[in-house]
Amino acid sequence: GEDVEQSLFLSVREGDSSVINCTYTDSSSTYLYWYKQEPGAGLQLLTYIFSNMDMKQDQRLTVLLNKKDKHLSLRIADTQTGDSAIYFCADPNQAGTALIFGKGTTLSVSS
Amino acid sequence: DADVTQTPRNRITKTGKRIMLECSQTKGHDRMYWYRQDPGLGLRLIYYSFDVKDINKGEISDGYSVSRQAQAKFSLSLESAIPNQTALYFCATSVARGGTGELFFGEGSRLTVL
Repeated sequence: GEDVEQSLFLSVREGDSSVINCTYTDSSSTYLYWYKQEPGAGLQLLTYIFSNMDMKQDQRLTVLLNKKDKHLSLRIADTQTGDSAIYFCADPNQAGTALIFGKGTTLSVSS
Repeated sequence: DADVTQTPRNRITKTGKRIMLECSQTKGHDRMYWYRQDPGLGLRLIYYSFDVKDINKGEISDGYSVSRQAQAKFSLSLESAIPNQTALYFCATSVARGGTGELFFGEGSRLTVL
């Protein structure tokens, strides 16, 4: 069935780069997404990538897409304590009717 | 004011009680969704609706029902709550066509069933 997998935890020091990885099963998606959930809050779209792109850069964020391997990654440069949150990878289902979310990666940033 | 508003934000109830979680939106979106979040399990889709007359089951609809009272309102009901329905529930909206397919989320309703 359709699935999105990502590791559950990542711990980094302030100023380092963080890389969160995701694999997905449905390859027909037009867009793939990264959402951020801060403590006690809902999810907010962090960034997305169009499926015909390999890379998208937005300030400190870099998204890499490898369609052949169905692998998506999010790199956060110069990670700050304010980046501590849960990050979700999301892929539209085959019918295009809803998003399938990974289990979420909890990013912990220590100073 | 939030574009997607969920009420109540927190609720504690007992096994067997009927519970309704409400969602209203001012974004003018046609599509609305209910997801459930459990630690270590991520978000799972319960129900979704593409317009007032369209209701669809998601991955984990058993034990839940929904009502789309208007374009802006989508409520989730638990007819007889059970402890394993303790979770954080999110309502979300999206545009029907065009755009990037982004979902816009409410702040969540935390439900505890004792």
